[in-house]
Amino acid sequence: SQQGEEDPQALSIQEGENATMNCSYKTSINNLQWYRQNSGRGLVHLILIRSNEREKHSGRLRVTLDTSKKSSSLLITASRAADTASYFCATDAWGAQKLVFGQGTRLTINP
Amino acid sequence: DVKVTQSSRYLVKRTGEKVFLECVQDMDHENMFWYRQDPGLGLRLIYFSYDVKMKEKGDIPEGYSVSREKKERFSLILESASTNQTSMYLCASSSVGDTQYFGPGTRLTVL
Repeated sequence: SQQGEEDPQALSIQEGENATMNCSYKTSINNLQWYRQNSGRGLVHLILIRSNEREKHSGRLRVTLDTSKKSSSLLITASRAADTASYFCATDAWGAQKLVFGQGTRLTINP
Repeated sequence: DVKVTQSSRYLVKRTGEKVFLECVQDMDHENMFWYRQDPGLGLRLIYFSYDVKMKEKGDIPEGYSVSREKKERFSLILESASTNQTSMYLCASSSVGDTQYFGPGTRLTVL
């Protein structure tokens, strides 16, 4: 299985601090995506990074991808209470039409 | 704006009942997916479809079937609901090799 694994499983920080979450996977990928899920809701797509990219930014989000280490990180800068959610990475293997999701990181931003 | 809708947010059924979960997308996406999400297990793929009348088993298809008669609609069927099928069910759609867009989820309780 090429299931992604997020680390840490849970993260609690103060508002205004930066939050970093990591994801590791097992096989070659076409792209890697990060999603957010608020409690009891569906997943919302945050950012997609392709296998030939090393870094991508979107607002306060910064994603890096290291294909040699089969890992990715998601950095949220200047965190806000509204960022409290679970964050999932998902990998899309070459030739596959489905994503494989990790277990997620539960992020709590304390006011 | 992209939209994936699911027929119910909350559903309560009895053991042995036949259950239909409906998902509709308005983005003309080829691919549609059904996942279940359970604490500690993350998202697990039940079935997916890459075209009308086409379906592929995911990681946990046992006890489920699907139907895709029209491109915009993907139904998940529990032939005889059991208590271990109590879960959050998430539907998603995507173009080939692209971001998945999720519905709000259906929380199913089987008594």
